[in-house]
Amino acid sequence: DSGVTQTPKHLITATGQRVTLRCSPRSGDLSVYWYQQSLDQGLQFLIQYYNGEERAKGNILERFSAQQFPDLHSELNLSSLELGDSALYFCASSARGGAITEAFFGQGTRLTVV
Amino acid sequence: DAKTTQPTSMDCAEGRAANLPCNHSTISGNEYVYWYRQIHSQGPQYIIHGLKNNETNEMASLIITEDRKSSTLILPHATLRDTAVYYCIVRVEPGTYKYIFGTGTRLKVLA
Repeated sequence: DSGVTQTPKHLITATGQRVTLRCSPRSGDLSVYWYQQSLDQGLQFLIQYYNGEERAKGNILERFSAQQFPDLHSELNLSSLELGDSALYFCASSARGGAITEAFFGQGTRLTVV
Repeated sequence: DAKTTQPTSMDCAEGRAANLPCNHSTISGNEYVYWYRQIHSQGPQYIIHGLKNNETNEMASLIITEDRKSSTLILPHATLRDTAVYYCIVRVEPGTYKYIFGTGTRLKVLA
C-alpha cells in the first residue's frame, strides 16, 4: 500500500459525459502528479500540483482540468469524453516540490468510455 | 528534450542478475536518472535514482557511465515477483517538473 488513495477504482461512462477522479496523497506530501496510461502505452504526464498551485503541465487536453484543494487532495476532471480517453489514470504524490524522486503512485482509476 | 531509450523486452532466469540498460545520451549535466517499475497494471513503484556515482539500495543497484549517457539497473537476484515493466526516466526539460516514462523494458523472470 503506497498510501496514495484514488477513487473510484473503476469507472464506466458514455461518450460526451463528464467525470471526476479523486486522489488523496500520502500524509504530509505536498506534490501531486497525474498520469494517463492508455492500453500498452507508457505513462503520459498530465499535470503536477504543489501545495495547491499548478507546477507543471504536460500533454493535458483542454477538455481535462485538475486542481489541488487546501487539504491537498486533488481532482482530475475529464469532460466531453471520447472513446480514446479510455485509460488508466494514476495519481502520485511526493514530499518534494519538484523532483519525482520517491514519488508514490496510487493504484489508479480505470476509465472506460463506451 | 531529454529522452531515454530502452530495450522493449528482456528475459532473465530466476536467481540470476537482471541487467537493464538505458540510453539517455541527451541528459543534461545536473539531471538525475530515475528508475521505476510497474507490475501488471498496478501503480508504478520507485526503485532508485542517481546522478553520477553508482547507487545501491535494498532493491537494486544503478550503474551510470562516466559520460552519463547511459545507465544500467541491476537486480542482483531476480525473482518471479520482479517480472514487470521497468522505466528509466529523466526530466524532459531542465528547470521544469515534467518527467516522461516512455514505454520501458518488459522484464520477464523465468522459473
